[in-house]
Amino acid sequence: AAGVIQSPRHLIKEKRETATLKCYPIPRHDTVYWYQQGPGQDPQFLISFYEKMQSDKGSIPDRFSAQQFSDYHSELNMSSLELGDSALYFCASSFGGAWGYTFGSGTRLTVV
Amino acid sequence: DAKTTQPPSMDCAEGRAANLPCNHSTISGNEYVYWYRQIHSQGPQYIIHGLKNNETNEMASLIITEDRKSSTLILPHATLRDTAVYYCIVRVAEGSQGNLIFGKGTKLSVKP
Repeated sequence: AAGVIQSPRHLIKEKRETATLKCYPIPRHDTVYWYQQGPGQDPQFLISFYEKMQSDKGSIPDRFSAQQFSDYHSELNMSSLELGDSALYFCASSFGGAWGYTFGSGTRLTVV
Repeated sequence: DAKTTQPPSMDCAEGRAANLPCNHSTISGNEYVYWYRQIHSQGPQYIIHGLKNNETNEMASLIITEDRKSSTLILPHATLRDTAVYYCIVRVAEGSQGNLIFGKGTKLSVKP
């Protein structure tokens, strides 16, 4: 069965650079969620989209932005990267926000 | 979303049942109990969810007390591959009302 696809799997950026993470949800899933997990931390909710509209916002820094496109894939754009942005970034998808989410394998971002 | 309380860590012998408790004393009537687990650095994985009745699937059983203030996740025959952090989360099931908010889960170590 198709899963949530995230790209890239690994990304190394320098401070003050920008990064774009991509998420392709399970077919027919209309809701996408982004989470950030720092080293030794629990996943922190960043932002979610339902039917291409932002549906909820968590602890997402102002330097980050995200959107969901017409094909339901989503991109997380991160600017002015800081060392503290080094983390695993997970995307999850669901149908209508109901029941269980399916998570992708994550993108490991390292800022040097 | 209601707050949950879980023990930070538990050990279990391989082949034995693992019983993971969760307290959610402020749960609302329309909130479900969800369990997810995260194997080291992988995306969180959905296990099971329930409202007030006990639930069972191929992975686990979920026992919810009659007053719904606590629940127990049971892995009937734990294997080494069940070593993970287990998260108990309460949220409403429908739409975008209440995203998955991860708290401090229980780190389960299954030992041979």
